[in-house]
Amino acid sequence: GAVVSQHPSRVICKSGTSVKIECRSLDFQATTMFWYRQFPKQSLMLMATSNEGSKATYEQGVEKDKFLINHASLTLSTLTVTSAHPEDSSFYICSAPDLASPYEQYFGPGTRLTVT
Amino acid sequence: KQEVTQIPAALSVPEGENLVLNCSFTDSAIYNLQWFRQDPGKGLTSLLLIQSSQREQTSGRLNASLDKSSGRSTLYIAASQPGDSATYLCAVLGQNFVFGPGTRLSVLP
Repeated sequence: GAVVSQHPSRVICKSGTSVKIECRSLDFQATTMFWYRQFPKQSLMLMATSNEGSKATYEQGVEKDKFLINHASLTLSTLTVTSAHPEDSSFYICSAPDLASPYEQYFGPGTRLTVT
Repeated sequence: KQEVTQIPAALSVPEGENLVLNCSFTDSAIYNLQWFRQDPGKGLTSLLLIQSSQREQTSGRLNASLDKSSGRSTLYIAASQPGDSATYLCAVLGQNFVFGPGTRLSVLP
């Protein structure tokens, strides 16, 4: 089946620094990728929709200048957390629908970010 | 706006029991519903995907049903095992994915 990878799987960074998370579709193309965030004991929440070749669409309450999203190709989207704060510590997951089967979502394994 | 709820929030059962997890959603205009398993510190594992035109899907000891008109889905786990202990999430796909809060399952040996 289709595979979505994320890198890194875990990252620890200091407050004020920036962290980049990559989401790749390994064997299919995705014009759209979704970024989710999960805080402990809460459900996954959609942060933004990454669109290849155009600007990302952010959900209400998500700061676009803090969470920079770039969808550079049909197989890669990146999420950069800028000026990281301990409150940004969370589990970040991406997903992508296959162009050939857009109503099926494939999820990355997630990235656990800890900001100290 | 789509809202997804799951009942119960937590469940603890002895090994071997059959159990049912419930998922409800408010907007029936969905493309599909998925059940996921989440182990602590790990990513989601997709268990079953039910398209909006389908009523149920089965995989091994798992059976998921979908009643779109009433906005409900159930995940049935037969003969539960300690290895089934995890958080189970349901998610519906409409304009985007909306997840439920999950049911934390503990199967005791």
